[in-house]
Amino acid sequence: LAKTTQPISMDSYEGQEVNITCSHNNIATNDYITWYQQFPSQGPRFIIQGYKTKVTNEVASLFIPADRKSSTLSLPRVSLSDTAVYYCLVGRGGEKLTFGTGTRLTIIP
Amino acid sequence: DAGVIQSPRHEVTEMGQEVTLRCKPISGHNSLFWYRQTMMRGLELLIYFNNNVPIDDSGMPEDRFSAKMPNASFSTLKIQPSEPRDSAVYFCASSLYRRENTEAFFGQGTRLTVV
Repeated sequence: LAKTTQPISMDSYEGQEVNITCSHNNIATNDYITWYQQFPSQGPRFIIQGYKTKVTNEVASLFIPADRKSSTLSLPRVSLSDTAVYYCLVGRGGEKLTFGTGTRLTIIP
Repeated sequence: DAGVIQSPRHEVTEMGQEVTLRCKPISGHNSLFWYRQTMMRGLELLIYFNNNVPIDDSGMPEDRFSAKMPNASFSTLKIQPSEPRDSAVYFCASSLYRRENTEAFFGQGTRLTVV
């Protein structure tokens, strides 16, 4: 499974757009890119999944360049409730879902 | 559906005792994952099943750990004997097994404390 690298922590003010970038240089052709969110004392929660270009849902957008060696999770106009750890994963369904260290996002009032 | 259900939510046990954690996946899901989370080691995948068959148990730390999935609606993770270093939050997750689907649903976790 391709290894991922993402910043350990980020801070942002309420109302700002937050972009978290993940590197996955060894991504395989059939791998998908998936982001999860985890709040304290809860299990991770799926946010978004993509294969290439751009994916958008009601929560976030995922930008994937043509070479797919990185991806960027974009959270529009964050609020205090977006304070959480965000994990980037690469792989396919039915295989290992391996979580890295994640990015601890802190939203400042 | 009520989501992935884990029991118990909290467990405190003495070193050397047997501990059994339980998980009921979402109905219709056929992939099941067991994770352990600690501050030091983060979220570790212990084992996962597809269609009730264990596929990869390389994350199981020692022979003291064992997991079973006797049917599609139930799985257990057993630790025997338990040790203080097993203290962690244990999560179970399930998903619908498709190559293009990486969305897994996690339970609320079991917080295990071994004293």
